[in-house]
Amino acid sequence: DVKVTQSSRYLVKRTGEKVFLECVQDMDHENMFWYRQDPGLGLRLIYFSYDVKMKEKGDIPEGYSVSREKKERFSLILESASTNQTSMYLCASARGQGYEQYFGPGTRLTVT
Amino acid sequence: QKEVEQNSGPLSVPEGAIASLNCTYSDRGSQSFFWYRQYSGKSPELIMFIYSNGDKEDGRFTAQLNKASQYVSLLIRDSQPSDSATYLCAVRSNYQLIWGAGTKLIIKP
Repeated sequence: DVKVTQSSRYLVKRTGEKVFLECVQDMDHENMFWYRQDPGLGLRLIYFSYDVKMKEKGDIPEGYSVSREKKERFSLILESASTNQTSMYLCASARGQGYEQYFGPGTRLTVT
Repeated sequence: QKEVEQNSGPLSVPEGAIASLNCTYSDRGSQSFFWYRQYSGKSPELIMFIYSNGDKEDGRFTAQLNKASQYVSLLIRDSQPSDSATYLCAVRSNYQLIWGAGTKLIIKP
């Protein structure tokens, strides 16, 4: 079974703080993704990576950056958290582009 | 802009009946189609995928694909209260997955 884990289930941060969200997958997948999900807006792709040290912007990259130093780990960074970044953040991995994605449990981030 | 559309619902179905969830997509060249289930507060989990026209069955779930009409559907037979969730449709288009916004399904005992 594919297993994708995320560093925190719930996180509360203050405006202006730097926030790190980590994701680890154990299936040797090439592709990894970060989404945010808000009520009524569905899944929105922030960034994805198709290889180590490679990254591509998704639909809403503003205010975020990512890092992929090892194949199994993909980090999402909020350089200066803002209240409009309060959301559910979901990490996913896939064996290739366009293949089925497997999700981690999600991190519910609240920025106050 | 490639799109995947789903009725947001909620779709209310009596327990034991067949629930029918539909998804339409705009890219005629799409090759792969996925259904995910998402319980409230949880992450999406893959239920089924389908590549070819026709039906694909897995237990109580049947995925139906009609490429000519550009729709894919998910049927859930003998619906149970535990099937109450939001169902997301995803379509492979140019090596990306395009996501629908999901249909909320409520199974009434």
